[in-house]
Amino acid sequence: GAVVSQHPSRVICKSGTSVKIECRSLDFQATTMFWYRQFPKKSLMLMATSNEGSKATYEQGVEKDKFLINHASLTLSTLTVTSAHPEDSSFYICSAKSAADPYQETQYFGPGTRLLVL
Amino acid sequence: SQQGEEDPQALSIQEGENATMNCSYKTSINNLQWYRQNSGRGLVHLILIRSNEREKHSGRLRVTLDTSKKSSSLLITASRAADTASYFCATEHSTLTFGKGTMLLVSP
Repeated sequence: GAVVSQHPSRVICKSGTSVKIECRSLDFQATTMFWYRQFPKKSLMLMATSNEGSKATYEQGVEKDKFLINHASLTLSTLTVTSAHPEDSSFYICSAKSAADPYQETQYFGPGTRLLVL
Repeated sequence: SQQGEEDPQALSIQEGENATMNCSYKTSINNLQWYRQNSGRGLVHLILIRSNEREKHSGRLRVTLDTSKKSSSLLITASRAADTASYFCATEHSTLTFGKGTMLLVSP
């Protein structure tokens, strides 16, 4: 149980285009989903926290208009990288907390999406 | 701001040996979690230890937490080549904040 999927697993796009990444909780309802970014051999940096039906909360330094987050249902959150540039190339990982978890402590991570902007 | 800091940055051992990784943090926490990440893959949750707990075991994993020193350690006993991965500690207060990780290489 508690499986999180991401699609696509990797994407290559041209500079200036927009890329949408989906994060789905497959067998549980997610009250909260998180988006992280990871550079090679570096740690995960939290970009934003999204709750179903409300606006995402972005971390300091993360551009809201650049990284659009939509959490339309209890099982789906999307991250859209708008007008992507080479410096946006990174590994994007989502995670989700289960609505059924009384302690709301554990985050279940997706497998990540590798974005390469040419 | 970066919360957890792992030590060492890289660790290379032989199969069968024990591997110990340390994590230090700066502010108060609700819990501390350890994750594993294989190269280019997602994170796998290993173990969670709450702020009022001092030690926890899960299979070959042993985690300790010293809130007075703001530090935690992860011990992997009888390591296997398949344990080769990066290991991250993450502290939770309102959000989860990850350390820089320890790259563990277990040679056959």
